[in-house]
Amino acid sequence: ETGVTQTPRHLVMGMTNKKSLKCEQHLGHNAMYWYKQSAKKPLELMFVYNFKEQTENNSVPSRFSPECPNSSHLFLHLHTLQPEDSALYLCASSHGEGEAYTIYFGEGSWLTVV
Amino acid sequence: GQNIDQPTEMTATEGAIVQINCTYQTSGFNGLFWYQQHAGEAPTFLSYNVLDGLEEKGRFSSFLSRSKGYSYLLLKELQMKDSASYLCAVMDSNYQLIWGAGTKLIIKP
Repeated sequence: ETGVTQTPRHLVMGMTNKKSLKCEQHLGHNAMYWYKQSAKKPLELMFVYNFKEQTENNSVPSRFSPECPNSSHLFLHLHTLQPEDSALYLCASSHGEGEAYTIYFGEGSWLTVV
Repeated sequence: GQNIDQPTEMTATEGAIVQINCTYQTSGFNGLFWYQQHAGEAPTFLSYNVLDGLEEKGRFSSFLSRSKGYSYLLLKELQMKDSASYLCAVMDSNYQLIWGAGTKLIIKP
């Protein structure tokens, strides 16, 4: 139990489907992140939210749409994905940004696009 | 560009010692992190180094040399449960984390 909970753990979706990944953190943190993890590649930062405001969008395609209704919850809405989007999507949180805060990860959502 | 290098895979024997190296080239430096990730699980924080030298935490130690852009994670008295991937990440001058691709450590009996 890391204090960051992600659902679903596994998701298979077609290229025309719309689905969402959900993340909740119970650590009292103010910053939340979405990362993409592909085999044998470094973690790719997708989005950062600090106090519910998006502070980072690393040129992520618009078929990925984040939503942060409050500091404890983060969503990643998925629409018309491509097979190359199949990966592990990790949510993470930290006390804030702009300092050397440790980030804490959820167990990830395995996404397969068929 | 910014770059983190670490070996792709290492093999070691139960009870032995293994050293996982990480070299980095980044725009500034605000610390280096090591994470452990078991297959199918979340990366979990192991250590943070911001000053040169060795930090010890039980069987795990982490070393940093900022002048050489180099760190290592030392695991002693290896146990089968230490089989995992070990991720090195450097925080640059903008407090952005730059990640290595991870080192998969295989422990053999």
